[in-house]
Amino acid sequence: SQTIHQWPATLVQPVGSPLSLECTVEGTSNPNLYWYRQAAGRGLQLLFYSVGIGQISSEVPQNLSASRPQDRQFILSSKKLLLSDSGFYLCAWDRLSNTGELFFGEGSRLTVL
Amino acid sequence: LAKTTQPISMDSYEGQEVNITCSHNNIATNDYITWYQQFPSQGPRFIIQGYKTKVTNEVASLFIPADRKSSTLSLPRVSLSDTAVYYCLVGDGSNAGNMLTFGGGTRLMVKP
Repeated sequence: SQTIHQWPATLVQPVGSPLSLECTVEGTSNPNLYWYRQAAGRGLQLLFYSVGIGQISSEVPQNLSASRPQDRQFILSSKKLLLSDSGFYLCAWDRLSNTGELFFGEGSRLTVL
Repeated sequence: LAKTTQPISMDSYEGQEVNITCSHNNIATNDYITWYQQFPSQGPRFIIQGYKTKVTNEVASLFIPADRKSSTLSLPRVSLSDTAVYYCLVGDGSNAGNMLTFGGGTRLMVKP
């Protein structure tokens, strides 16, 4: 069966510090991968998506970046965090042949102080 | 890219049927309609998906009219544990990289 994992689950970082959130998928190959962010009490904002290794598309311009160094690994990074980067970050995947059924990870809660 | 519109919030009582409608006027021919449920501090969970007419599973029904410009999620006999945010998602998630963008969601509060 397919599984998706994110880490760390919780992170508290000072403004201006770097960030690295990691997501891995198991049990499938060549999935579409997504990073979403959810601010407190708000909806889901699509940040990045990837259809393959090294292929990243950005939905919203920001100080965040994403990379896909391996088929089932998706990393969200920042060189210098802003207060507005606080939120709940969710990684998701879907099957290439599917129709929009996303599978989400457990989420990573980032607090920037 | 189809955009969705849902009511911000809804209240209901235990045992009632709840219907949440989503508008997606610009839905494309290849787009499917998918509904998710999200509890606090968790990722959204798939509830049901459809293309047209009616789809039913063990937890919900999805009604889609012929023009597909809207859809209605129906939750029969809700309980307190159905209190959550419900999202409507429109897209086909194809290999072409059709980005899957969520709307604002509907916050359902079920009261005793």
